[in-house]
Amino acid sequence: GESVGLHLPTLSVQEGDNSIINCAYSNSASDYFIWYKQESGKGPQFIIDIRSNMDKRQGQRVTVLLNKTVKHLSLQIAATQPGDSAVYFCAENPYDKVIFGPGTSLSVIP
Amino acid sequence: EAQVTQNPRYLITVTGKKLTVTCSQNMNHEYMSWYRQDPGLGLRQIYYSMNVEVTDKGDVPEGYKVSRKEKRNFPLILESPSPNQTSLYFCASSLVRSTDTQYFGPGTRLTVL
Repeated sequence: GESVGLHLPTLSVQEGDNSIINCAYSNSASDYFIWYKQESGKGPQFIIDIRSNMDKRQGQRVTVLLNKTVKHLSLQIAATQPGDSAVYFCAENPYDKVIFGPGTSLSVIP
Repeated sequence: EAQVTQNPRYLITVTGKKLTVTCSQNMNHEYMSWYRQDPGLGLRQIYYSMNVEVTDKGDVPEGYKVSRKEKRNFPLILESPSPNQTSLYFCASSLVRSTDTQYFGPGTRLTVL
């Protein structure tokens, strides 16, 4: 079936560096995309979202980029901190459903 | 405190023994959803509900039932659990629709022997 996938299952970055997590989606009906952060033992938490009529959206230290031509989504984290260590999921919303990618584990090296 | 609660948090059961995992939210949200999380597969939506008495299948509904008799509660029912339903389950709610920010519960770790 249609799915959202991630290019990198694990990512290690040095504290203070920028992190980039990538995601590919396949459902053409999706017009809304979200990034979630999941810390160990907890449920996912909303980070940032973007609608299909936008290419870029910025939050606090995070930026989401959307390339509809190649169905690609990325999450950029500026000045990565130890507290950013977690699993990051992209998700898309075709119709009323929610489809998550398999996740990328981000490890921050102090 | 605004939250989504799930019970139980951990459950070990045997094949075929019916079980219910409860989910409750105190935010007056209309949209509620159940997910299962398995290694390498991320979260997959089982069922969702747009409002009271309105439920729809997600991507992996087989072997599960849900009900939405009240706005705040959205129980997940496994009539005859099987080992392939061993997983981590999350309930989530959002204000009106799936495109509103979803708030997740703490998760229920289910093991079916």
